[in-house]
Amino acid sequence: DAGITQSPRYKITETGRQVTLMCHQTWSHSYMFWYRQDLGHGLRLIYYSAAADITDKGEVPDGYVVSRSKTENFPLTLESATRSQTSVYFCASSGLAGDDEQFFGPGTRLTVL
Amino acid sequence: AQKVTQAQTEISVVEKEDVTLDCVYETRDTTYYLFWYKQPPSGELVFLIRRNSFDEQNEISGRYSWNFQKSTSSFNFTITASQVVDSAVYFCALGRGANNLFFGTGTRLTVIP
Repeated sequence: DAGITQSPRYKITETGRQVTLMCHQTWSHSYMFWYRQDLGHGLRLIYYSAAADITDKGEVPDGYVVSRSKTENFPLTLESATRSQTSVYFCASSGLAGDDEQFFGPGTRLTVL
Repeated sequence: AQKVTQAQTEISVVEKEDVTLDCVYETRDTTYYLFWYKQPPSGELVFLIRRNSFDEQNEISGRYSWNFQKSTSSFNFTITASQVVDSAVYFCALGRGANNLFFGTGTRLTVIP
């Protein structure tokens, strides 16, 4: 399917477990992003990537790991999930210019018990 | 520091009323971009508009209009003749180099039929 997809859409896990959220885009966009959305905070940037093998931290990177071996994929891993990481996670992508509009995936709702 | 303030947490209007959503931003950059996104109840984020810091012309798109004033660091969004389908959370965001988007906390608009 064309566009940007995320999987899973819903995930329940337990404290201390490792969780990986997947993001896939079909536009060959250079830039990809991970945000978390929490009530009262809007969306906050976790990590972003300007190209394959290039990643950088955003506003709230602690507890998260990313990789980007292929342009189209940008997985986000919670190495040891904590309850404070319960959130809705959005992946986004944008074209060559960094300030182009970002296109967002449908989101993953993660609950950490 | 970059900051986006959406002081209106929730707004309710009756259908066909006009409504303005406020957005005030802070930045020391001379070049930056401002965005509005819509998040309907289904949860996805929909891009509405991008404006760069050198373009202060107001924009109108159907029932939507945007007023960008650098003198007051504001980028307000007006919906004319609101409809039930406009019910959503609206986010204002500030973009700069390095692809960082700073989001406001959002304004939840409810249009009552």
